[in-house]
Amino acid sequence: RKEVEQDPGPFNVPEGATVAFNCTYSNSASQSFFWYRQDCRKEPKLLMSVYSSGNEDGRFTAQLNRASQYISLLIRDSKLSDSATYLCVASRAAGNKLTFGGGTRVLVKP
Amino acid sequence: DVKVTQSSRYLVKRTGEKVFLECVQDMDHENMFWYRQDPGLGLRLIYFSYDVKMKEKGDIPEGYSVSREKKERFSLILESASTNQTSMYLCASSLGGGPSNQPQHFGDGTRLSIL
Repeated sequence: RKEVEQDPGPFNVPEGATVAFNCTYSNSASQSFFWYRQDCRKEPKLLMSVYSSGNEDGRFTAQLNRASQYISLLIRDSKLSDSATYLCVASRAAGNKLTFGGGTRVLVKP
Repeated sequence: DVKVTQSSRYLVKRTGEKVFLECVQDMDHENMFWYRQDPGLGLRLIYFSYDVKMKEKGDIPEGYSVSREKKERFSLILESASTNQTSMYLCASSLGGGPSNQPQHFGDGTRLSIL
């Protein structure tokens, strides 16, 4: 079983709609969580950190459920420019290392 | 803004060559990392470093070595390149210390082809 698992998608989303997707993590000792965005043939870029109480950054909302060991990302009012692969990331138990999920591909269409 | 710079965007080398990939960051970060990214396999950690002259193996270190002589620079070395090392290589850096893991910031990546 992978340490961080994501639905690879693609999620086909009409422009203006809301889309949400989850990722699950297996290491209960993980303390830090992040969402990264990666465009085709580009490097991953930090989208947002995920805090225990949940957090919002503009149209993006991240939630953490420690009991069920999953993280979610919700995108409201989707834009064409939101089309990308979204990587779920969890810290490892020891050291400043991160485990990346395989990514969820989102395609926003007019 | 954090700036992580990788020396080459695209590189073509031959089997058996010794290959050097260079990475420099300008934010005085303690931690530096090398990953490779392959379709269907995601990002995999090759080596990382918490400090100058310090290195630790990641998940897939075989066939690679690293060097960190200065805090801002972390080099990945393919001792004898093989075709299965054709990949996208990504360097990242992050702040060290503290109880929480800090996010990592990535360079543009190097697309390495071994012929």
